[in-house]
Amino acid sequence: AQSVSQHNHHVILSEAASLELGCNYSYGGTVNLFWYVQYPGQHLQLLLKYFSGDPLVKGIKGFEAEFIKSKFSFNLRKPSVQWSDTAEYFCAVNNAGNMLTFGGGTRLMVKP
Amino acid sequence: GAGVSQSPRYKVAKRGQDVALRCDPISGHVSLFWYQQALGQGPEFLTYFQNEAQLDKSGLPSDRFFAERPEGSVSTLKIQRTQQEDSAVYLCASSLAVREAQHFGDGTRLSIL
Repeated sequence: AQSVSQHNHHVILSEAASLELGCNYSYGGTVNLFWYVQYPGQHLQLLLKYFSGDPLVKGIKGFEAEFIKSKFSFNLRKPSVQWSDTAEYFCAVNNAGNMLTFGGGTRLMVKP
Repeated sequence: GAGVSQSPRYKVAKRGQDVALRCDPISGHVSLFWYQQALGQGPEFLTYFQNEAQLDKSGLPSDRFFAERPEGSVSTLKIQRTQQEDSAVYLCASSLAVREAQHFGDGTRLSIL
């Protein structure tokens, strides 16, 4: 069975700091990769997705992620975080099945 | 609105009671998914529908859990004889087609006393 690991459970940054959240998955075949964000009191929202093509994917709100197949990784990055980026971030994968397999999430707190 | 709608937002039930959770997907979305999210964890897959057909129910934790989508739109997740370990947030998601990005509802927070 596939699994997704997010190694940072809690991250605290000051505004304008750079962000990188790690995501590794176990499945070796063709995968679709996603990052979702959940702002306090809101539903999960899609930040970005990778299906194929350019492994550097740009999403909403200045986020980007890089798919590195050899490392089974899909790390999320943002050059300069804002207080409004405080949220929980989930990496997710689907392969041959239709459902998403999620990581455990990373809680990001940005101090103003 | 145009998003996935779930009701109720909160449900409190006594152990042993039956509960029913409703999901109204985005209009025209063929695929519908149910996930369970325990406190401090990521969502875990329960079951998947394509139109009215339940194609995968491998994530349902026991035969007390039952889901249906009789007309290919609204779906109901039913839990019979609830147990305390059923306490969680139940998320519904829909997508336009198989393996497209899934759009999530706000979830139903279920508490079993």
